[in-house]
Amino acid sequence: AQKITQTQPGMFVQEKEAVTLDCTYDTSDQSYGLFWYKQPSSGEMIFLIYQGSYDEQNATEGRYSLNFQKARKSANLVISASQLGDSAMYFCAMREGYALNFGKGTSLLVTP
Amino acid sequence: AAGVIQSPRHLIKEKRETATLKCYPIPRHDTVYWYQQGPGQDPQFLISFYEKMQSDKGSIPDRFSAQQFSDYHSELNMSSLELGDSALYFCASSLVNLAGGILITDTQYFGPGTRLTVL
Repeated sequence: AQKITQTQPGMFVQEKEAVTLDCTYDTSDQSYGLFWYKQPSSGEMIFLIYQGSYDEQNATEGRYSLNFQKARKSANLVISASQLGDSAMYFCAMREGYALNFGKGTSLLVTP
Repeated sequence: AAGVIQSPRHLIKEKRETATLKCYPIPRHDTVYWYQQGPGQDPQFLISFYEKMQSDKGSIPDRFSAQQFSDYHSELNMSSLELGDSALYFCASSLVNLAGGILITDTQYFGPGTRLTVL
């Protein structure tokens, strides 16, 4: 079975600074997909960014980028120019068949 | 853009009662997923449907059942509710792509969730 590990239960970052949220994964599949979702305190799950295992370039979506290091099996999320509205729980997930397997999440707090 | 719709948004039930959660996927999405998220937990996959057929099954209790209808909406039926069923239930939807003869699910977009409280 696949496994996702997020080792940072909580992170702080000052507004306008960049922050990196760590995610490592374990899989024996050659083809896989990695996702990051944001869950604000209101509860919804918001898709942020996707990285396919065969993608040659790191994914980027606006202020979000994914630092994908395949040999190290890591897919860290980088948020640039943090905003107060970025305060939320962030989940890394891997697709296994139809299901998404999630990590335990990292709680990010952006301070003024 | 249209999103996944879930109803009801909040539901309060007594132990041993039944509950039905509804999910309306993004238009043209052919796959529906159900997840359960307990307090302070990550979402756990329950079950999925592709083109109205069950496509995958996770940690769904036998007391729960689900189906996808001809209009692609899905319902999660929960019976003999227990206190431990109190959770946020998400429905997600996606497209499925055929790549090299293999079905690959596209990005899953989540609905706002149904918060179930069992008293």
